[in-house]
Amino acid sequence: NAGVMQNPRHLVRRRGQEARLRCSPMKGHSHVYWYRQLPEEGLKFMVYLQKENIIDESGMPKERFSAEFPKEGPSILRIQQVVRGDSAAYFCASSPPGGDNTEAFFGQGTRLTVV
Amino acid sequence: AQSVTQLDSQVPVFEEAPVELRCNYSSSVSVYLFWYVQYPNQGLQLLLKYLSGSTLVESINGFEAEFNKSQTSFHLRKPSVHISDTAEYFCAVSLISNDYKLSFGAGTTVTVRA
Repeated sequence: NAGVMQNPRHLVRRRGQEARLRCSPMKGHSHVYWYRQLPEEGLKFMVYLQKENIIDESGMPKERFSAEFPKEGPSILRIQQVVRGDSAAYFCASSPPGGDNTEAFFGQGTRLTVV
Repeated sequence: AQSVTQLDSQVPVFEEAPVELRCNYSSSVSVYLFWYVQYPNQGLQLLLKYLSGSTLVESINGFEAEFNKSQTSFHLRKPSVHISDTAEYFCAVSLISNDYKLSFGAGTTVTVRA
């Protein structure tokens, strides 16, 4: 039973390019959460998605960032026109439907470096 | 809004010695409390959590944490550490009303030496 899978593990982008981060939740999980960890800081909540729905995006920057969790396939966090300040580790977590939201399982993270 | 402070960023400790990782939180309403562990090159794993009931919670690998409401703390302890406990430890809180949204501390790196 594979855990939460994130890819790529490391991503380098030049300023102005787009970054796409993928997250495949654990089998049977339909709730996905994205967190961002800036250097020397704790993880910060970004967005909570269920299949085809954004439930809470209160932590998402207003511009350039978007997230989706389609009916089929992984969840995608998309960052357009990246800037140096977007360099961070991005973590995805998942939890089962109707289950305990306090039992979220995390992936290994994607480390984005903007040069 | 709730926040979490982990008072130590680095904790070096010798094998078989005790360790305590400090965590304080700030919230005007009731919260759930968590400790997560991240081993090198792995994702975060839930170590233990406090939701209600007994204020002392334990993990399967010998860690324990005590919820102290008056001091707004949730310190993590282990009486005797192993080399394999080398990892980064994160304290987190969530509001009971919004239990999916975790607020994390900056983390404490524990390095266990022989």
